[in-house]
Amino acid sequence: GQNIDQPTEMTATEGAIVQINCTYQTSGFNGLFWYQQHAGEAPTFLSYNVLDGLEEKGRFSSFLSRSKGYSYLLLKELQMKDSASYLCAVMDSNYQLIWGAGTKLIIKP
Amino acid sequence: NAGVTQTPKFRVLKTGQSMTLLCAQDMNHEYMYWYRQDPGMGLRLIHYSVGEGTTAKGEVPDGYNVSRLKKQNFLLGLESAAPSQTSVYFCASSYSGQDTGELFFGEGSRLTVL
Repeated sequence: GQNIDQPTEMTATEGAIVQINCTYQTSGFNGLFWYQQHAGEAPTFLSYNVLDGLEEKGRFSSFLSRSKGYSYLLLKELQMKDSASYLCAVMDSNYQLIWGAGTKLIIKP
Repeated sequence: NAGVTQTPKFRVLKTGQSMTLLCAQDMNHEYMYWYRQDPGMGLRLIHYSVGEGTTAKGEVPDGYNVSRLKKQNFLLGLESAAPSQTSVYFCASSYSGQDTGELFFGEGSRLTVL
């Protein structure tokens, strides 16, 4: 079967750095997405990786290793507004998105 | 700039009742999707549309029907609601398919079936 694994919950301190991991087992691979979802709100797009390596976008970076079936989202200089769930999703060989259950990130002052 | 709008935001139904969720987008997107989100699970695709007049089944289509009569609207219908359909429903749209384009989501519709 197809599977996306992410930690259920993580806690970090304001101003610090946090890494949210995502491992996947899918039938084929056509890209990996990260979305942010604040409680009670819609998911919003953060990043898209299709090639190995690191993509940096401001305070957020996303890394992909296709050979390991692994990605991480790195958040720097954490702010209270970064408290949210972070969703990892993989596009399989049929171009269907397989979603992880999300990682709830709690930021403490 | 409205983006993707869903109505209603909240609804309580009794088992066996029917209802329709409306999704409207003003971005001229070809692709539209209906997802459900349940605690501890990833988003699951119910139905999707690749253009006006087309619909296709997703991962969990049973108990739902959809229609895309106009490009900007995508309707999700529940003919006979069941408690298992209690969930938060998200509509999304994209300019192209999910493979190349980011998804733009509505704010969600919270449905409770008693």
